[in-house]
Amino acid sequence: AQSVAQPEDQVNVAEGNPLTVKCTYSVSGNPYLFWYVQYPNRGLQFLLKYITGDNLVKGSYGFEAEFNKSQTSFHLKKPSALVSDSALYFCAAYFGNEKLTFGTGTRLTIIP
Amino acid sequence: KAGVTQTPRYLIKTRGQQVTLSCSPISGHRSVSWYQQTPGQGLQFLFEYFSETQRNKGNFPGRFSGRQFSNSRSEMNVSTLELGDSALYLCASSPGQTRWPSTDTQYFGPGTRLTVL
Repeated sequence: AQSVAQPEDQVNVAEGNPLTVKCTYSVSGNPYLFWYVQYPNRGLQFLLKYITGDNLVKGSYGFEAEFNKSQTSFHLKKPSALVSDSALYFCAAYFGNEKLTFGTGTRLTIIP
Repeated sequence: KAGVTQTPRYLIKTRGQQVTLSCSPISGHRSVSWYQQTPGQGLQFLFEYFSETQRNKGNFPGRFSGRQFSNSRSEMNVSTLELGDSALYLCASSPGQTRWPSTDTQYFGPGTRLTVL
């Protein structure tokens, strides 16, 4: 069965430091992978997606993610964190006829 | 362009009642998806509509239903409400140029927070 794991419920990063939010998936083949961000009392905002091609995907607000097929991972990264990056981040995956599946979310807190 | 709008934003119902939530997609978007977000279950896909037809459905009971109108606006209905239906219901729209799930970006509305007492 398809599943998406975000192993860290909470990630704390000092402002200006690089950040990584981890995501792994457990499907075979070539999944579609997405990252979304959710701010308090708001819906989800699309950050980036991987469909095919270059393993490094660049998205909104300076975020990027690297697709690693051998490790079945799609970690979200940013070189220099901003306080405004503090939010809830969701990884999602789709493969074939399965349903779009979300991870449980990672709360990112950037410490000034 | 205006974003995805959802009405109402907040709703309080009692067990056994039914509720209808509305979603207006971005102009020109033909695909509308619905999701349920709860602290315990996280984000779960409910269903997706394209051109007034349900194209895909998640693992929810038949109490959850939806429809899409010719102008792409969508409604979601939950009958015989249960306490566990309390959640944030999110709607997302996308152009829907290809079969779901397409590579189109999904744009989310702010959600409707449903509380069942």
